[in-house]
Amino acid sequence: DIQMTQSPSSLSASVGDRVTITCRASQSISSYLNWYQQKPGKAPKLLIYAASSLQSGVPSRFSGSGSGTDFTLTISSLQPEDFATYYCQQSYSTALTFGPGTKVDIK
Amino acid sequence: QVTLRESGPALVKPTQTLTLTCTFSGFSLSTSGMCVSWIRQPPGKALEWLALIDWDDDKYYSTSLKTRLTISKDTSKNQVVLTMTNMDPVDTATYYCARILKSAVAGYYFDYWGQGTLVTVSS
Repeated sequence: DIQMTQSPSSLSASVGDRVTITCRASQSISSYLNWYQQKPGKAPKLLIYAASSLQSGVPSRFSGSGSGTDFTLTISSLQPEDFATYYCQQSYSTALTFGPGTKVDIK
Repeated sequence: QVTLRESGPALVKPTQTLTLTCTFSGFSLSTSGMCVSWIRQPPGKALEWLALIDWDDDKYYSTSLKTRLTISKDTSKNQVVLTMTNMDPVDTATYYCARILKSAVAGYYFDYWGQGTLVTVSS
């Protein structure tokens, strides 16, 4: 299976900060990489698909980039509602896998 | 409007078989590119993908759990069923079903999720 890692595992940031989360695949996955946001007690929400395509209704402060093995999710100006855990997920292989998550909390 | 809802027992005993049903609306699982998947999340831990079934009745399973999982669909009822055999306390988790859109360009991505159902495995 393709293993996904994320860094950092957690971070503390302030409202207005620029935040970058990294996701790395154990082998090349082209651009078959998606990002989700999950708040406590809620189901995950799709933010970005195909590495850089913004899901409908998601604020433009979220952006994704990368291809091959290295990917980033960037929040250009962190808002109070963005404090959550973020997961990446690959679909290059039909054995789908998620990353371990990055928790973003308030500094 | 796309909705998905998971149903099944909240408590199962070790060694029992878990059967979960995902009832969905707002799309048809016979439409090309549509899939439904199951994902679980142990308390305080990360998401783990379990299985998916697509519009063509192709089925894919987690490598580590495939011997215990069976996924099936009833297109007329808009339902997808997951069975997991030989349940263990480590299988305690919130189980989600989700719609997947599949395309050649974007692969598989989960665009709608159910609210999840907590399953506890305990004697």
